[in-house]
Amino acid sequence: AQSVAQPEDQVKVAEGNPLTVKCTYSVSGNPYLFWYVQYPNRGLQFLLKYITGDNLVKGSYGFEAEFNKSQTSFHLKKPSALVSDSALYFCAVRDMVSTGGGNKLTFGTGTQLKVEL
Amino acid sequence: DTGVSQNPRHKITKRGQNVTFRCDPISEHNRLYWYRQTLGQGPEFLTYFQNEAQLEKSRLLSDRFSAERPKGSFSTLEIQRTEQGDSAMYLCASSLGGRTYEQYFGPGTRLTVT
Repeated sequence: AQSVAQPEDQVKVAEGNPLTVKCTYSVSGNPYLFWYVQYPNRGLQFLLKYITGDNLVKGSYGFEAEFNKSQTSFHLKKPSALVSDSALYFCAVRDMVSTGGGNKLTFGTGTQLKVEL
Repeated sequence: DTGVSQNPRHKITKRGQNVTFRCDPISEHNRLYWYRQTLGQGPEFLTYFQNEAQLEKSRLLSDRFSAERPKGSFSTLEIQRTEQGDSAMYLCASSLGGRTYEQYFGPGTRLTVT
């Protein structure tokens, strides 16, 4: 079965510094990977995805993620963090054995990002 | 706003009562998903519809849970004889299907069973 791991429960960075939120995955076959962000008492917002192609994918709000097949990683990055980026970030992978043709997602446990002044 | 909407946003119920949640997906999306999220965890898949057909159900979905999407538009999730362990955030998501893989989530319904 596929899975994703987010090894850090919390990441703290200073505003203006680069940030990285880590994600590793385990799938059979080619992975379809996603990052979502969740603000308090709200649903998840889609940030970006990797399906195929360039290993560096760009998404919303200045975020990008680097797909590394040899390390089975898909780390989320941003060159300069903002206080408003403070939120809960989830990595997810598409279930490759989903029945019914759906694209159900398997999520990691989330990483709380705190950007401090 | 043309995003996914869910009602109610919060529901407090007593153990043993039935509850029903509604999800209105983005209008042109033919795929609809229900997930459950508990504190400190990522969302877990419950069930999936393509148009009005329920094509997949998780083992998490006990017999007390039922979901419908009668006309291929909005969906309802009903929990019968609620238990304290059902307390969670219930999230609905929709997607366009085809080669569009990302899902767009609603704000969720937070259920508290007392």
